[in-house]
Amino acid sequence: AQSVTQLGSHVSVSEGALVLLRCNYSSSVPPYLFWYVQYPNQGLQLLLKYTTGATLVKGINGFEAEFKKSETSFHLTKPSAHMSDAAEYFCAVSDSGNTGKLIFGQGTTLQVKP
Amino acid sequence: KAGVTQTPRYLIKTRGQQVTLSCSPISGHRSVSWYQQTPGQGLQFLFEYFSETQRNKGNFPGRFSGRQFSNSRSEMNVSTLELGDSALYLCASSSTGDSVDTQYFGPGTRLTVL
Repeated sequence: AQSVTQLGSHVSVSEGALVLLRCNYSSSVPPYLFWYVQYPNQGLQLLLKYTTGATLVKGINGFEAEFKKSETSFHLTKPSAHMSDAAEYFCAVSDSGNTGKLIFGQGTTLQVKP
Repeated sequence: KAGVTQTPRYLIKTRGQQVTLSCSPISGHRSVSWYQQTPGQGLQFLFEYFSETQRNKGNFPGRFSGRQFSNSRSEMNVSTLELGDSALYLCASSSTGDSVDTQYFGPGTRLTVL
């Protein structure tokens, strides 16, 4: 069965610093992986996704993630944090089979300090 | 295109009552999924509907039910509400519901059970 683990429920960085949010997955089949962001009192917005092909995936707002099969990881990075990046971030994997079901990690709250 | 809409946005009910939440997917999308989000359990999958048929179901009691109409709009119903049902209920839609498809989320319905 698929599962996702996000290391660190809270991450704090200074504005302009590197953002690194960690995600490891477990999957019995080649995974489809997603990163979503949630701002307060809002739904989830897709940042990026990995399906097949290039392992370095670029998303919106300057975020990118690299799929590393050998490490079963899909970490999210951004070179320079902005105050507006403060939010909760969720890593997710698609369930196997013909389904829209997503399995989410517990989420990481990103704090950006001025 | 308009995004996923959910009504109502906020709801307050008392224990024992029932509630119906509504979700209108993006035009042309045929798959609708529902998730429950709580601070303790995170994002948990409730069920998925595709072309008016429930295709997948999460591990929730039978008090939680749903349906999808011919125009792809979906409703979920919770009967005999319990305090623990207080949560943000998120709806997501995708065009085919395939595991590689992007799920687009609505803003959610915040349910408070007193």
